[in-house]
Amino acid sequence: EIVLTQSPGTLSLSPGERATLSCRPSHTVSSSYLAWYQQKPGQAPRFLISGASNRATGIPDRFSGSGSGTEFTLTISRLEPEDFAVYYCQQYGSSPLTFGGGTKVEIK
Amino acid sequence: EVQLLESGGGLVQPGGSLRLSCAASGFSFRNYVMNWVRQAPGKGLEWVSGISGSGGSTYYADSVRGRFTISRDTSKNTVFLQMNSLRADDTAVYYCAKSDSSNYYGYFDYWGQGTLVTVSS
Repeated sequence: EIVLTQSPGTLSLSPGERATLSCRPSHTVSSSYLAWYQQKPGQAPRFLISGASNRATGIPDRFSGSGSGTEFTLTISRLEPEDFAVYYCQQYGSSPLTFGGGTKVEIK
Repeated sequence: EVQLLESGGGLVQPGGSLRLSCAASGFSFRNYVMNWVRQAPGKGLEWVSGISGSGGSTYYADSVRGRFTISRDTSKNTVFLQMNSLRADDTAVYYCAKSDSSNYYGYFDYWGQGTLVTVSS
């Protein structure tokens, strides 16, 4: 099983600042089969990015993903008030499908 | 518009059973793997089970294998999760999630709003 370690656990930032979230798999994720999701309190997760860097339809371009192998990053270039949430990475290149523990982006 | 609507959650005693349903619409149901993902209170996401478009292949997390059974009714565009021998650590919001492909190895591009399962005496 591939374990995904997300860091930091909590990121305290102000609107307009840049957020950099890390996701580190315990083993190489094949073909960059890594996705990112956003979850707000009381809501279902929302799909953001697949294939490490491909934004889903309707996702603003301030969200970007990068990385490969055992190191992946989600960057939010300028935080908007609606971006404060928990973010999860997920790998889909190996069985079982697994998620990271999440990074909470909170308002400083 | 893709819609996933879960139902069937509730309070059940340890050792009991519950059946969750997920009614899907807005896409070609038989062409995609469908999944259940759960989230314990205050915790992260855990993939639980998946089923192929035809229903011929099923997949389970080790934590539920042998206790949970996933199935689908293509004529009704509905996926089910039969949960037996429930334990306290099965307490969670259960989300129905559509895979992006007909392959087990996929990400989840659409999610339902979830249904809460509470296992307690």
